[in-house]
Amino acid sequence: AQRVTQPEKLLSVFKGAPVELKCNYSYSGSPELFWYVQYSRQRLQLLLRHISRESIKGFTADLNKGETSFHLKKPFAQEEDSAMYYCALSGVSGNQFYFGTGTSLTVIP
Amino acid sequence: NAGVTQTPKFQVLKTGQSMTLQCAQDMNHNSMYWYRQDPGMGLRLIYYSASEGTTDKGEVPNGYNVSRLNKREFSLRLESAAPSQTSVYFCASSDPGTANTEAFFGQGTRLTVV
Repeated sequence: AQRVTQPEKLLSVFKGAPVELKCNYSYSGSPELFWYVQYSRQRLQLLLRHISRESIKGFTADLNKGETSFHLKKPFAQEEDSAMYYCALSGVSGNQFYFGTGTSLTVIP
Repeated sequence: NAGVTQTPKFQVLKTGQSMTLQCAQDMNHNSMYWYRQDPGMGLRLIYYSASEGTTDKGEVPNGYNVSRLNKREFSLRLESAAPSQTSVYFCASSDPGTANTEAFFGQGTRLTVV
């Protein structure tokens, strides 16, 4: 069963424009949601998680339990934001991480 | 602060050859994972280990075996490599049940099977 859905494989925005990367999830119970970022040919690294409710590199994400969504947003995209972004879910037991198929973000100068 | 270390970084195999990908973490994490990353498919879980001495299948376990040698090390073995196993492999670890449940990743192994 697809637990994490990222509907956009590719997303291009102009520098300075707002960006939103969509993530929807399916899980009974209370999962923990994350956004990971992978810059070109580097390892995945945590961008942010919903429980910390913080802003990292200008990105924020709000967990909407009613819509089962965890969309990633940034008001003004920068060229260095170009990367692959993965939404991930950790279940109640915490023993598994489920990843979406990823969204490749390109910020056009 | 090494974190999660994978070896090798690159490997080319001929169809039918075998190899083992090594992974070690120095964060005292209980859980370890092997993922493969393919274009358009995202990250797919191959196997995971919730604790030392236990392993479980993920989404795509066929053609792979794993060993949780100790708490630090979790290896992935391809007994008879096939071109369909050409991929980038990532090892990860986490510590469920703690304040920091995020997964930490290795730098990846780029495997080509010809």
